[in-house]
Amino acid sequence: NAGVTQTPKFQVLKTGQSMTLQCAQDMNHNSMYWYRQDPGMGLRLIYYSASEGTTDKGEVPNGYNVSRLNKREFSLRLESAAPSQTSVYFCASSAATWTRRSNQPQHFGDGTRLSIL
Amino acid sequence: ELKVEQNPLFLSMQEGKNYTIYCNYSTTSDRLYWYRQDPGKSLESLFVLLSNGAVKQEGRLMASLDTKARLSTLHITAAVHDLSATYFCAVDGWDSNYQLIWGAGTKLIIKP
Repeated sequence: NAGVTQTPKFQVLKTGQSMTLQCAQDMNHNSMYWYRQDPGMGLRLIYYSASEGTTDKGEVPNGYNVSRLNKREFSLRLESAAPSQTSVYFCASSAATWTRRSNQPQHFGDGTRLSIL
Repeated sequence: ELKVEQNPLFLSMQEGKNYTIYCNYSTTSDRLYWYRQDPGKSLESLFVLLSNGAVKQEGRLMASLDTKARLSTLHITAAVHDLSATYFCAVDGWDSNYQLIWGAGTKLIIKP
């Protein structure tokens, strides 16, 4: 079972370049999330989507945009990359909805390791 | 604002010893999750604790939740090297739109 698939796995960008991180899940989950993980810190939520067509800001949304393309796919875009955005980015999904919390955990992809020079 | 604190943040221990990782959180919640992360890898769900007094066990790991004390513990019994990893707790707050708030993680090194 694929679960949550992220592409690419690694990327190096120059300051000011743009790129899109892709995420797809095959578990028919309603909610999807983008996190960043910096050394010595827990996960910080960038954006989340509780259903197809809806997105909302998390703790650290500045410098990012997202698109919930359909129920399976949730992309994260850096319009003008900055060195402060060097991090590991994780996509996750869960069965939670706006009106019902899930008794199941969030499922994570393998991450994208992004370096911005 | 929901805050989650784990301690210790770093733990080095010998095989065969017992130890406990603590996860304190600052506001009402009845759902807490424990995850494991190996270096350079993704996060793997270990336990989902859904009510006060919940206890889950898997092998040498046991997790519990005390919602009144706003505390969860992850207990390691007779540690083995394979349990070396970073362990995270995450809390689902009632007022957080179902977002998870994460602790900073406990890096556990178990020496043979």
